Formats: sequence, structure tokens, C-alpha cells
Amino acid sequence: KAGVTQTPRYLIKTRGQQVTLSCSPISGHRSVSWYQQTPGQGLQFLFEYFSETQRNKGNFPGRFSGRQFSNSRSEMNVSTLELGDSALYLCASSLAFPDTQYFGPGTRLTVL
Amino acid sequence: AQTVTQSQPEMSVQEAETVTLSCTYDTSESDYYLFWYKQPPSRQMILVIRQEAYKQQNATENRFSVNFQKAAKSFSLKISDSQLGDAAMYFCASPAGTYKYIFGTGTRLKVLA
Repeated sequence: KAGVTQTPRYLIKTRGQQVTLSCSPISGHRSVSWYQQTPGQGLQFLFEYFSETQRNKGNFPGRFSGRQFSNSRSEMNVSTLELGDSALYLCASSLAFPDTQYFGPGTRLTVL
Repeated sequence: AQTVTQSQPEMSVQEAETVTLSCTYDTSESDYYLFWYKQPPSRQMILVIRQEAYKQQNATENRFSVNFQKAAKSFSLKISDSQLGDAAMYFCASPAGTYKYIFGTGTRLKVLA
């Protein structure tokens, strides 16, 4: 089975722009979670989706949003980018919570 | 708030030796899994081992094993016969409410040749 894929792998944006990141889960996995990883804050939970429904959301401003499609693929969007949004964004999929999460390679976002 | 604590920011081990990484957690869930993940310099998070909390037997995967103490909420990872390829950041993860996992701050493992 193919693993979790994330696109793009690298992104450079400027402050004020918006960005959309994509995640394709392992085939058959319906739960997708997103995390932000920074050196200072570590791994922070953003949100979790299952069957197109957001079931939990982390403590992030409303500029961070996401969605899941009927094929379980997920996107997250960050609007009005700030310098502090520079991070590695990781997507993880599982059959269902609380089963094992498998991670994608991440998207490295740099905000200038 | 539910927490995961990794008290060792960095550990070193000689090649072929054994090292134990510590993790304590605090969850209110009654039935849960615990995980150790490895993140090498490539940044890909790789599952190392999973422990089901309802099982008393400690999980083992080849050279990796856990010491799970449910009452103490302790979940340490033992790496035997350490190899250079084991050098990485190691994170433990615990459930924190519904549909959410939280991760510890990580332990950087250095393997000395």
C-alpha cells in the first residue's frame, strides 16, 4: 500500500498570502489529522477529520482551516500568513481513532 | 490538561549498547493506545512501537520494547543493540480527549560509533 502523501513538499510564501496544503491518506484510512511542528512548540495538533467531518480542533486561530473530501483526501488552508506560521506541517492518517496514525513526509512552509 | 512528558531532551548510547527513553503521560481515557515515533533528519515520522493499554504484556518489535506501567502512567522505550541508524528524535504520544493525540517534546538520541 502506498503511504501518506503530502503536497507540496516545500513552500515559500510572503506575509499576508494564503496557502493550501494537501494530504492523501493511506487507502482505506478515513481519519486524517494535521499537526504543526516547530522547534519552539514541538508537535501541535491542528485538527482531525473523519468522513468529511471535523471532529476536533486544536488551539489555533481561525486563519487555520481544513476540509476532507469524500475520498478521504484532506486539505488545510492558512490565510493571512504570519512569520510564525513557518513550520513543518504533518498529516497523519488512520483507519479510525484511536488506531495507529501513519505520517506523511510533511510540507515545509517558510513565510518571509 | 492532559500531558505527555519526556524528561530527557538528549541521550547518547554507544553502538551495540542498550538505552532507555522515558515518557510519562496523563490521560483520562480508559481504553487507549500509546505510541513511540522516530523522526530522523529526513523529518519523516516513523512508527516504532504501539502499546495497547488494556494489555498487561509489554509490546516488543525486534530490538525495540516498552516498559509500560499503567498505574504510574509511564511508558518507556528500550532500544537494544543500538545501531547508527537509530539516531533520531523520538516522540511518545498519548490520547488527549476525543479524536486527538498529544506528543511529548521529544528525546534526541545520539548513537556513538
